[in-house]
Amino acid sequence: QSALTQPASVSGSPGQSITISCTGTSSDVGGYNYVSWYQQHPGKAPKLMIYDVSKRPSGVSNRFSGSKSGNTASLTISGLQAEDEADYYCSSYTSSSTWVFGGGTKLTVL
Amino acid sequence: QITLKESGPTLVKPTQTLTLTCTFSGFSLSTSGVGVGWIRQPPGKALEWLALIYWNDDKRYSPSLKSRLTITKDTSKNQVVLTMTNMDPVDTATYYCALTWFGEFSFDYWGQGTLVTVSS
Repeated sequence: QSALTQPASVSGSPGQSITISCTGTSSDVGGYNYVSWYQQHPGKAPKLMIYDVSKRPSGVSNRFSGSKSGNTASLTISGLQAEDEADYYCSSYTSSSTWVFGGGTKLTVL
Repeated sequence: QITLKESGPTLVKPTQTLTLTCTFSGFSLSTSGVGVGWIRQPPGKALEWLALIYWNDDKRYSPSLKSRLTITKDTSKNQVVLTMTNMDPVDTATYYCALTWFGEFSFDYWGQGTLVTVSS
């Protein structure tokens, strides 16, 4: 299984919205509504931000939202804040009953 | 409070076998639905899913690493052990364990990670 495809980097100014894409295949992203997104600050463990494409765990800001169309999932962060600057990874369950992660996207808040 | 913590050697030699232990609290692997997975991250690179074990001993492995990995659980000790054979410098990474639930497909809680360097 190949890693999911994410843009290497995205950037935005405080208050703006950004979207990070995550492209897979019909065997992973397109085949299941089991895409999750993780935020990782430098030197820290990943933190779950979105699961099942668009659900937010308790305690995660509603500025974070997820969606999916076909083989591509997206994470949108609205009202960008300085603390949102981090690496973001998508993940999907696969038809092999395993998991696959994306290559990661570095978000810079200008 | 749910916590997970990885432990094991920080340095292994090429061709050796790596054994990592995930010790957790706040949940039990004897509880129906619980699963613990392993994910690694080479320095400066992306996350890579490795393996997962459920409460019922259902085990899943990364297809690309399946021949080298073994995951086991010790319910009485609240531990999950991952072994990886024939270590190579490209296996240098921070190794994380994380909690999931059967029927859910995300990793809700993560350990702090442990850096393993493969070098002679």
